[in-house]
Amino acid sequence: EAGVTQSPTHLIKTRGQQATLRCSPISGHTSVYWYQQALGLGLQFLLWYDEGEERNRGNFPPRFSGRQFPNYSSELNVNALELEDSALYLCASSNKQGGEAFFGQGTRLTVV
Amino acid sequence: DAKTTQPPSMDCAEGRAANLPCNHSTISGNEYVYWYRQIHSQGPQYIIHGLKNNETNEMASLIITEDRKSSTLILPHATLRDTAVYYCIVRVSNYGQNFVFGPGTRLSVLP
Repeated sequence: EAGVTQSPTHLIKTRGQQATLRCSPISGHTSVYWYQQALGLGLQFLLWYDEGEERNRGNFPPRFSGRQFPNYSSELNVNALELEDSALYLCASSNKQGGEAFFGQGTRLTVV
Repeated sequence: DAKTTQPPSMDCAEGRAANLPCNHSTISGNEYVYWYRQIHSQGPQYIIHGLKNNETNEMASLIITEDRKSSTLILPHATLRDTAVYYCIVRVSNYGQNFVFGPGTRLSVLP
């Protein structure tokens, strides 16, 4: 069974541009979580989607947004990129019954 | 904010048991204890979770005190590949909460 997959693995953008990161959850999982991990720092919760709706949001500005598609895959968009947005962006999925969440290997975004 | 307290770092000799403590003195009755680990620059890996009974799987054992205010993750025979940051998280298991990660414990397994 395939795990959580994220694409691309690496992304380089210029300050002010937009970045789009993608996540495919484990088959049967309806919840997708997004986290940001800046270099040397901890995981910061960004967004949680379930059944196509945003269920919870972390303390991030509105230029961080996303959506979840009918097949439960998800997209994270970061607008007006700033240098401090450079980080590893992690996606996790879980099923509707709760329990453990499983993480992908992340997208490393570098803003130059 | 994370609801758990862990030591920032620990060392363990290869082949010995690694015992990682976690304090969660404000845990609620319906909150589970989860453990994850993150090997350098990879996505966190789920290890184990439990409510009040001790749990064991192929990776580790989880010992939760009777008052549930603390727990210990045990890696029975640590290897060099177990070197990672270990996170202890408390969370209501059923649908509805995201995982809040604290700084974790950096475990170094030494040859």
